[in-house]
Amino acid sequence: NAGVMQNPRHLVRRRGQEARLRCSPVKGHSHVYWYRQLPEEGLKFMVYLQKENIIDESGMPKERFSAEFPKEGPSILRIQQVVRGDSAAYFCASSTGTGGGEQYFGPGTRLTVT
Amino acid sequence: AQSVTQLDSQVPVFEEAPVELRCNYSSSVSVYLFWYVQYPNQGLQLLLKYLSGSTLVESINGFEAEFNKSQTSFHLRKPSVHISDTAEYFCAVSEGAQKLVFGQGTRLTINP
Repeated sequence: NAGVMQNPRHLVRRRGQEARLRCSPVKGHSHVYWYRQLPEEGLKFMVYLQKENIIDESGMPKERFSAEFPKEGPSILRIQQVVRGDSAAYFCASSTGTGGGEQYFGPGTRLTVT
Repeated sequence: AQSVTQLDSQVPVFEEAPVELRCNYSSSVSVYLFWYVQYPNQGLQLLLKYLSGSTLVESINGFEAEFNKSQTSFHLRKPSVHISDTAEYFCAVSEGAQKLVFGQGTRLTINP
């Protein structure tokens, strides 16, 4: 019974490059959430998606960041033209969307921008 | 808007001592409450949750938390901690299948 999978676990990018982070939810989960954890801080919500739909992107920076959850395949968080301030751990979570909305987290992708 | 306050950023305790990690929340509607634990360089694991019913919820490893609606609190307790409990603990609130709003985290350090 696989949990939430994220890859890569570690990603190094130079300033100006693009970063693509992938998340495969728990089998049967159709709700995906992305969170960012800056050093020494808690997790901050970025975006909430269901298959092919963005439900809530209130935590996403207005520029350079985008997310998708296609009908087939993993959810993708894309950061264009990365800057040093994008260095953080990015966590994906998934849920069934029912009941209390309990979310299961992946191991995270640690992005370092040099 | 929802918010979560974890009153202590760091809590050092001795092994086998009791511990309480404090969490207060604010919300205008009924909420669901969670405690997650994060071990170094790992993701978050759900420790326990309050959805409805009994206000005292327990985890399999001896932690418990009590939902207090009047004080808008959801403090986490353990009567006797172990070295392996060293981790960061996050309190979170949601309004159902929506985003989680997290507190800043409390780093629990267990000293032998």
